[in-house]
Amino acid sequence: SAVISQKPSRDICQRGTSLTIQCQVDSQVTMMFWYRQQPGQSLTLIATANQGSEATYESGFVIDKFPISRPNLTFSTLTVSNMSPEDSSIYLCSVESTDTQYFGPGTRLTVL
Amino acid sequence: QKEVEQNSGPLSVPEGAIASLNCTYSDRGSQSFFWYRQYSGKSPELIMFIYSNGDKEDGRFTAQLNKASQYVSLLIRDSQPSDSATYLCALGGVASYDKVIFGPGTSLSVIP
Repeated sequence: SAVISQKPSRDICQRGTSLTIQCQVDSQVTMMFWYRQQPGQSLTLIATANQGSEATYESGFVIDKFPISRPNLTFSTLTVSNMSPEDSSIYLCSVESTDTQYFGPGTRLTVL
Repeated sequence: QKEVEQNSGPLSVPEGAIASLNCTYSDRGSQSFFWYRQYSGKSPELIMFIYSNGDKEDGRFTAQLNKASQYVSLLIRDSQPSDSATYLCALGGVASYDKVIFGPGTSLSVIP
């Protein structure tokens, strides 16, 4: 398995601002994934991040709104840009290890 | 487009009973199937994975896969109040880098 940490664990932000979420893994991984879980909903994949290449975004998500960095094999960031209250959600980082996905503790974001 | 369906519940069972959670999926190409448990306010944690038709047992948990009928189920024997959580069915593709798609989850409540 992989041990994943995320920062911040929660934040309250004003609309129109941006927040960058960090994800750190205790081992080198090829694939890192960013999910969103809105209140009472299941997980929705935002994008897949590979080291050394641009992230691949799912339908409904765009790079201008959710820019992602993947500078090395243990770290990634997700930025939520120009936030609105609709962006209030839990954002989860995930990695693939031994054919299984493991999740970080999540970042709970509230946009006022 | 892969789709994963689950009964949203809530499913209520008395303590000590068997809880049966079901999941159907649309993509016949899916090769890997996962059950995650998510406690309120926490991130999902993997409890079972299954790749082959039939049953796979791990302690009180049994995963059942029927690829011909495109369903996967999770049985929890001797249910405990600590099993009360949302259970997420997820499926992946052939390769380890194929994205994992999550179902909407089933809420389970075990009544003491």
